[in-house]
Amino acid sequence: QKEVEQNSGPLSVPEGAIASLNCTYSDRGSQSFFWYRQYSGKSPELIMFIYSNGDKEDGRFTAQLNKASQYVSLLIRDSQPSDSATYLCAVSGSARQLTFGSGTQLTVLP
Amino acid sequence: SQTIHQWPATLVQPVGSPLSLECTVEGTSNPNLYWYRQAAGRGLQLLFYSVGIGQISSEVPQNLSASRPQDRQFILSSKKLLLSDSGFYLCAWSFPGVIKTQYFGPGTRLLVL
Repeated sequence: QKEVEQNSGPLSVPEGAIASLNCTYSDRGSQSFFWYRQYSGKSPELIMFIYSNGDKEDGRFTAQLNKASQYVSLLIRDSQPSDSATYLCAVSGSARQLTFGSGTQLTVLP
Repeated sequence: SQTIHQWPATLVQPVGSPLSLECTVEGTSNPNLYWYRQAAGRGLQLLFYSVGIGQISSEVPQNLSASRPQDRQFILSSKKLLLSDSGFYLCAWSFPGVIKTQYFGPGTRLLVL
């Protein structure tokens, strides 16, 4: 079983719709959860992180964490073509390193 | 503010040749430093991380090595490249201590022929 799992996609949504990206993790001791966006040929850039159960909003992005169910999700409201990218979920436990999922490719159709 | 640099940006090397990739961080002291590799269409594989000068932890046994000769410098090396070493090499940093957020450099794309 992979430590961090994401649907590889591709996920396609029309412009203006809500894109929902999901991630599950296996280590119940995980403490911190991150979402990165990676454009084709570029390095990952941090979108947001979440530590506590519930929702965290930042502009058009909302991260949702449910530790009991061991999943974290990212919602993108009013999706734009510029949001088309691969989204990486990352999880950390007591160690300093992050464990990354393989990413979900999102395409926003104009 | 902090910035992270990597060079070279792209590299084409023959099988069996040596490798040296460099990463430097500006604007912070004693960062945690990381080397990742991303194969085409794949996720990030952690190769090495370092919490201080001369301290290197290896995550995956292979023909690569890492060194940290200075506080904000991280080097990835190989004596003899393999075809399977091709990929996108990413350096990342995080603040020292328990903060986990990692920030990535622009990456080096390596093609071994």
